[in-house]
Amino acid sequence: QKEVEQDPGPLSVPEGAIVSLNCTYSNSAFQYFMWYRQYSRKGPELLMYTYSSGNKEDGRFTAQVDKSSKYISLFIRDSQPSDSATYLCAMSATGAQKLVFGQGTRLTINP
Amino acid sequence: DTGVSQDPRHKITKRGQNVTFRCDPISEHNRLYWYRQTLGQGPEFLTYFQNEAQLEKSRLLSDRFSAERPKGSFSTLEIQRTEQGDSAMYLCASSLESQTDGYTFGSGTRLTVV
Repeated sequence: QKEVEQDPGPLSVPEGAIVSLNCTYSNSAFQYFMWYRQYSRKGPELLMYTYSSGNKEDGRFTAQVDKSSKYISLFIRDSQPSDSATYLCAMSATGAQKLVFGQGTRLTINP
Repeated sequence: DTGVSQDPRHKITKRGQNVTFRCDPISEHNRLYWYRQTLGQGPEFLTYFQNEAQLEKSRLLSDRFSAERPKGSFSTLEIQRTEQGDSAMYLCASSLESQTDGYTFGSGTRLTVV
């Protein structure tokens, strides 16, 4: 079993919809949680960062972490065609330098 | 600063050949990371440097792989005797030592072994 599980999709929604992306994890030592966006043939770009449990909002994006359930989410409001990309969750433990990534969810926003 | 630069962007090589990739991190970043990403998967950690010291290596980094960061600036990743299974995107990233909120990735080097 992988340390971080993420549904690869693909996920296709109409423009303006609310998108929910999720990851589960097994390592209770993870304290730092990130969401990256990756366009085709590009490197991952950091979108959201959360330390420990709680919510964080940045514009149309909201990240949630529920450590008791080992579950993290990313919500995208008012989705735009330019949001079409692969979304990767990533996490790390305190003192660890490596990030452990999920498989990535491929998202398409249809105009 | 132009971010993390990787060269080349694409490399096609024959099985058994050696290849070398270069990464130039963001200039003030003293940590540098290498990851490998295969099609449809998330990036997997290979190794990281703090300044010129290589502090951690993954089990994925077989004897055929070697990474260096000779003066604590740019880094090279060499793969000897390439195999078809080495075909992947090789990503470099950098960060400050004090940074915990993720790091900045380059656009990667896509390797195809034929």
